Amino acid sequence: AQSVTQLGSHVSVSEGALVLLRCNYSSSVPPYLFWYVQYPNQGLQLLLKYTTGATLVKGINGFEAEFKKSETSFHLTKPSAHMSDAAEYFCAVRLGGSQGNLIFGKGTKLSVKP
Amino acid sequence: DTGVSQDPRHKITKRGQNVTFRCDPISEHNRLYWYRQTLGQGPEFLTYFQNEAQLEKSRLLSDRFSAERPKGSFSTLEIQRTEQGDSAMYLCASSSSGRGYEQYFGPGTRLTVT
Repeated sequence: AQSVTQLGSHVSVSEGALVLLRCNYSSSVPPYLFWYVQYPNQGLQLLLKYTTGATLVKGINGFEAEFKKSETSFHLTKPSAHMSDAAEYFCAVRLGGSQGNLIFGKGTKLSVKP
Repeated sequence: DTGVSQDPRHKITKRGQNVTFRCDPISEHNRLYWYRQTLGQGPEFLTYFQNEAQLEKSRLLSDRFSAERPKGSFSTLEIQRTEQGDSAMYLCASSSSGRGYEQYFGPGTRLTVT
């Protein structure tokens, strides 16, 4: 069965510092992996996705993630944090087969200090 | 592409009342998903439709929950005899098989049961 673990429910960085949000997955089939961002009282916005092909995936707002099969990881990074990056971030794996619903981690809340 | 819309954005109801939420997906999307998000958790899958067919409903939380998508366009999620534990954000997402399995989320409906 698929599952997602996000390490660290809360991460705090200084503006301009590296952002690293960790995600490990469990999947019995080749995974499709996603990162979403959620701002307060809003829905989820897709940051980036991995389906097949290149393992380093670039997304919006300067974020990128690398799929590492050997480590079953899909960590999200951004070289330089901006105040506007403060939000909650969710890693998700897509259920295999035709159903296609997403299985989410519990989320990591990112705070950015000036 | 006007995005996924949900109505209402907020709903306060008394325990025991019935509530109904509406979701309008992106127009060309044939799949529609409902998720529930409680405080401090990632979204949890409830049910999904392909066109008007509800292909998975075993994850609906109880028989008080039901969903419809009568003409393959908008969908409704109904909760009968609401309980305080139903208080949560209810999210709708839509996707098209031609878009790499990306799910686009609406802003959600926040339900508070008093």
